[in-house]
Amino acid sequence: KAGVTQTPRYLIKTRGQQVTLSCSPISGHRSVSWYQQTPGQGLQFLFEYFSETQRNKGNFPGRFSGRQFSNSRSEMNVSTLELGDSALYLCASSLAPGAGNTEAFFGQGTRLTVV
Amino acid sequence: AQSVTQLDSQVPVFEEAPVELRCNYSSSVSVYLFWYVQYPNQGLQLLLKYLSGSTLVESINGFEAEFNKSQTSFHLRKPSVHISDTAEYFCAVAREWGGKLIFGQGTELSVKP
Repeated sequence: KAGVTQTPRYLIKTRGQQVTLSCSPISGHRSVSWYQQTPGQGLQFLFEYFSETQRNKGNFPGRFSGRQFSNSRSEMNVSTLELGDSALYLCASSLAPGAGNTEAFFGQGTRLTVV
Repeated sequence: AQSVTQLDSQVPVFEEAPVELRCNYSSSVSVYLFWYVQYPNQGLQLLLKYLSGSTLVESINGFEAEFNKSQTSFHLRKPSVHISDTAEYFCAVAREWGGKLIFGQGTELSVKP
């Protein structure tokens, strides 16, 4: 069974540009969450999607957005990139939210560097 | 709201020595508890989890954690560490009915020969 796949693994962008990151969850998993990891702030929750609907959103500016497709694949977009957006972006998939189903499996992440 | 505090940012230890990584959480509702491990340039791997039942949970590689509700703690222990255990360890909580994880700041375990 394939794990969570994130593409690309590494990305370098310039300030002001926008970027789209992709996440393919484990087959059969319908819930996808995104996290930002930085040395200063640690791991912070960005958003959670289930059945193409955003269920939860973290405390990030509107420049950060996401969506989920009917096949459960998810994308996140960051517009007007800032230097502080440089981070490892992690995607996690799980069967579905709810009691007993909160175990998340993580992808290897996309390392975004903004210059 | 939930929060997680990992009391040590770095823990250096010699090979074959015991180790304890401390985690305390705060929550007004029941939560699920997790320990994740992250090796360099990798994503997070689930090490062990507490959902309900026995308060002592074990992983396949010798780690164990004990849920203590009165002290709101979920400390991770291993009686004898290996060089290969060198990694960053994250404690996390999730609400009983949601998938969002709240992470601690992480503990960097460094095992020296």
